[in-house]
Amino acid sequence: GEDVEQSLFLSVREGDSSVINCTYTDSSSTYLYWYKQEPGAGLQLLTYIFSNMDMKQDQRLTVLLNKKDKHLSLRIADTQTGDSAIYFCAEISNRDDKIIFGKGTRLHILP
Amino acid sequence: DAGVIQSPRHEVTEMGQEVTLRCKPISGHDYLFWYRQTMMRGLELLIYFNNNVPIDDSGMPEDRFSAKMPNASFSTLKIQPSEPRDSAVYFCASSSQGAGANVLTFGAGSRLTVL
Repeated sequence: GEDVEQSLFLSVREGDSSVINCTYTDSSSTYLYWYKQEPGAGLQLLTYIFSNMDMKQDQRLTVLLNKKDKHLSLRIADTQTGDSAIYFCAEISNRDDKIIFGKGTRLHILP
Repeated sequence: DAGVIQSPRHEVTEMGQEVTLRCKPISGHDYLFWYRQTMMRGLELLIYFNNNVPIDDSGMPEDRFSAKMPNASFSTLKIQPSEPRDSAVYFCASSSQGAGANVLTFGAGSRLTVL
């Protein structure tokens, strides 16, 4: 079945770049997503990438997709204290419309 | 649009009681998803609907859980009887396939505590 894996924690100094990694198993994924969850809130879409793309950039966010290795990453440039949150990787399969999430990576910003 | 609206935001109940969680999706969205979030398991997909029809309920943990979508603007997730291990945050999310990327909009969640 589908599975999405990500590391649970990441600590980064303010001003540095954060790189959050994710691996997935479903080779038929059409879209891959990054969602952000702040304390006490639901998840909000940060960005997504279509499976035929290698990279997508949106201001401080850069998404890299290696389809051969089924590896997705999210880079946040110039990390700020407001970036402190849980970041979820997710995929949607071409076979059905299920959107499967990883367990989330908690990003902690060091002063 | 006010977004996806869930109620109640918090519920504390005793083991054995019936719990009903409610969701109003975004108007015009044709997909509705129920997820459960716990520290141990992360975000689990319980069930999803397309045009009010349940498509996949393979994530529903037991017969104690049931979900309905009587119309396009309302869905319920019911737990009867509730158990302490059901304590979690339950999220409802909706999306529109017509938008291409099927981006989910989440509600704020219902935090359930079963004593």
